[in-house]
Amino acid sequence: DSGVTQTPKHLITATGQRVTLRCSPRSGDLSVYWYQQSLDQGLQFLIQYYNGEERAKGNILERFSAQQFPDLHSELNLSSLELGDSALYFCASSLRTSGDQETQYFGPGTRLLVL
Amino acid sequence: AQTVTQSQPEMSVQEAETVTLSCTYDTSENNYYLFWYKQPPSRQMILVIRQEAYKQQNATENRFSVNFQKAAKSFSLKISDSQLGDTAMYFCAFRFPRGGSEKLVFGKGTKLTVNP
Repeated sequence: DSGVTQTPKHLITATGQRVTLRCSPRSGDLSVYWYQQSLDQGLQFLIQYYNGEERAKGNILERFSAQQFPDLHSELNLSSLELGDSALYFCASSLRTSGDQETQYFGPGTRLLVL
Repeated sequence: AQTVTQSQPEMSVQEAETVTLSCTYDTSENNYYLFWYKQPPSRQMILVIRQEAYKQQNATENRFSVNFQKAAKSFSLKISDSQLGDTAMYFCAFRFPRGGSEKLVFGKGTKLTVNP
């Protein structure tokens, strides 16, 4: 158990809908990262937050957004869903953004299926 | 741009034997971090081992060790005394800790099967 929790574990929804994925980082970790794992694209970085502020963006679609709250949990919002958004979405956390505490620990993932 | 290449899509090994998974990467930076993550059928991403580029000594974690060749930009994972529970996808990942992004860049993975 990495200490990172994600809810829900599974999500089935229809095209055009909006969903919210939730992540709670390990206790004390300030950075939260979101990754998407799909068959065709592999593991792709989406976005990173550090202590409530957006720190870096990757290949995140405009239909997707995220935020990190004062209690450091994070939510990834996916809207106007398309079939191609079906994937496993991981949240990871680390203590700091540099130095020895930069190792990222992953949550169990949320499997999203868009029908 | 940093890229990570895992040239072996699939590998298999007999239980108790040793196997080496290959990984190469491309970067112009001098300081960075490399990782191997394991993804078993449960799909959980589990950290196996990490290596700091400034350290010359190869990292070791129990049956797992790496062969880090910085000049060659190579970072292979050796699994000794393979066990059935080692069956998983293995991802090599690169982390460049400067420039405002600490994202991990992953290779496409190697599917390892340990046979009894």
